[in-house]
Amino acid sequence: GQNIDQPTEMTATEGAIVQINCTYQTSGFNGLFWYQQHAGEAPTFLSYNVLDGLEEKGRFSSFLSRSKGYSYLLLKELQMKDSASYLCAVMDSNYQLIWGAGTKLIIKP
Amino acid sequence: IAGITQAPTSQILAAGRRMTLRCTQDMRHNAMYWYRQDLGLGLRLIHYSNTAGTTGKGEVPDGYSVSRANTDDFPLTLASAVPSQTSVYFCASSDEFSGTGEGGYTFGSGTRLTVV
Repeated sequence: GQNIDQPTEMTATEGAIVQINCTYQTSGFNGLFWYQQHAGEAPTFLSYNVLDGLEEKGRFSSFLSRSKGYSYLLLKELQMKDSASYLCAVMDSNYQLIWGAGTKLIIKP
Repeated sequence: IAGITQAPTSQILAAGRRMTLRCTQDMRHNAMYWYRQDLGLGLRLIHYSNTAGTTGKGEVPDGYSVSRANTDDFPLTLASAVPSQTSVYFCASSDEFSGTGEGGYTFGSGTRLTVV
């Protein structure tokens, strides 16, 4: 079956760096997405990786290794507003998005 | 309207009742989707539409139906609601079916549905 694994919850300190990991097993691969979702709100797009390597976008970076079925989202200079759930999703060979359950990130002052 | 509008925001529904969740987008996106989000589970695709006039079944289609008469609207209907359909429902759209590249999928603000 298809599976996306990411930690349920992580805690980090304001101003620090945190890495949220995502491993996947899917039937085919057409890219990996990261979304941010604040409590009670809609998910918003953060990044898309289809080739191996690191994509940097401001304080957020996303890494992909297709051979390992692995990605991570790196958040630098953490701010309180970064407290949210971070969703990993993989697009399979049928162009269907398979979603992880999300990682709830708690930022402490 | 800017982006995707969903209505209602929340609803308490008696089991057995019929209900339509509304979704309208103003971005002229070709593809639209309905997801449900339950605690501890990832978003699960209910139905999708690649373009106006076509629809397809997702991972959890049973008990739901959709239509896509035009580009902008993609309503989701629960024919006879059951308690297991209690969930948060998100409508989303993308410029193309793959939703790749800048922007990805755009989501509406969601409908919180409770079936009692």
